[in-house]
Order: sequence, then C-alpha cells, then structure tokens
Amino acid sequence: GENVEQHPSTLSVQEGDSAVIKCTYSDSASNYFPWYKQELGKGPQLIIDIRSNVGEKKDQRIAVTLNKTAKHFSLHITETQPEDSAVYFCAAPSYSSASKIIFGSGTRLSIRP
Amino acid sequence: DTGVSQDPRHKITKRGQNVTFRCDPISEHNRLYWYRQTLGQGPEFLTYFQNEAQLEKSRLLSDRFSAERPKGSFSTLEIQRTEQGDSAMYLCASSSTANEKLFFGSGTQLSVL
Repeated sequence: GENVEQHPSTLSVQEGDSAVIKCTYSDSASNYFPWYKQELGKGPQLIIDIRSNVGEKKDQRIAVTLNKTAKHFSLHITETQPEDSAVYFCAAPSYSSASKIIFGSGTRLSIRP
Repeated sequence: DTGVSQDPRHKITKRGQNVTFRCDPISEHNRLYWYRQTLGQGPEFLTYFQNEAQLEKSRLLSDRFSAERPKGSFSTLEIQRTEQGDSAMYLCASSSTANEKLFFGSGTQLSVL
C-alpha cells in the first residue's frame, strides 16, 4: 500500500546463520510483494517476489513468506555468505495505483566472518 | 549490455543551475519509472510513463521537475533552478506491462553545491 514499514533498519548476523527481514503494508488489496537488494554504487536489483495467491516462495537460500491476514511479509536468507551483505528493500503497490511501487526504508545487512 | 542505462553517473552543479539526466530502458519494456533516493532511505517514486504517455506524477514533485519520454524510448528528467535539497541519487527503472518487476539502472548521483 502507500505505507510500507520495514524492520529492522540494521541487522548483523554470523556467516552461516539465517537472517530475517520483515515488512508490513497498509492496503489489503495489494497483491504483489517484491524484495530488492542494493549494493554500494548500484541500483536495486530484484531478488525474489511473491504474489498474493501463494503464502511462500523459495529460491535457493532465499525465501519470502506472506501473511495476508496480518498484512506482513518477510524475507528469509539461510546459510548467509559475505556476498549477502547489502541493503535490502521490500516493496508493495500503492493503493492509488498498482503501477506505482512503494519501497520500505531498507535494512542494512552485515555478515560477520 | 541490455540492462537499463543512465547518464551521467555523477553530476555536480551549483545551486540555481538546470540539470538533465537521461535513461535508456530495456528495449522491449514499455514502462519507465523515475525514483529519487537519499542516503539511508528507500527509493521514492517520482513519475512513470507507459510508452510516451506520462501516467502519474508524485504530489511531492515540484514544478521545477519535468520528465519526458519522446517516442516511448529513452527518457529525460530535468530539474530547473536546482536547490541543495535536490541532492540525491536519481534512479530510472523499466518494466513490461506483463508484470510489475522493475529493472533499475545504476542511477545518477546529483550533488548541488
């Protein structure tokens, strides 16, 4: 929806451990929830997305879960590696226009060796 | 390279000057978006085009900002009479109408002195 809340703003995990980032949205009609990864000096890159007709989607070490009743969705990264260090953004369509994607404020993920 | 390209990568200007940025989307994409990103924040929607038509503009977009997409291919974003508050990363993204997956360029970093 127009408001996408993301937390935590920073996250530090030991290499090999899992990381979880959570987002909430305000518009119950939202039906598309992407996650983007942004590395220093680059634009955001889509890493995984989910539509409202499924509750979970997985791609290798990355998974996204969606709870439409509670209006929140989460990114799960397992077996974290140094290259996972980046800023991650969740997003959702605006209630006023499905073509307008609204981004959360981001989570800076650091992987400790 | 068939990704989204933006030019220039960096722009330093003095307050009051006009600046223009260019975005070349992925060739088969008919939707093109402009976002602005400040340090520590997520991308903020500015405007988007479907082919050559500008379909939506953010209410936050002052009249000093104008965007065009002649012939539905590349797009330009112009900022007139720049202010220090305009300093930010300006990101361009494109997508096809079939889905909402956004493909971002690397952005233009604007610094207004």
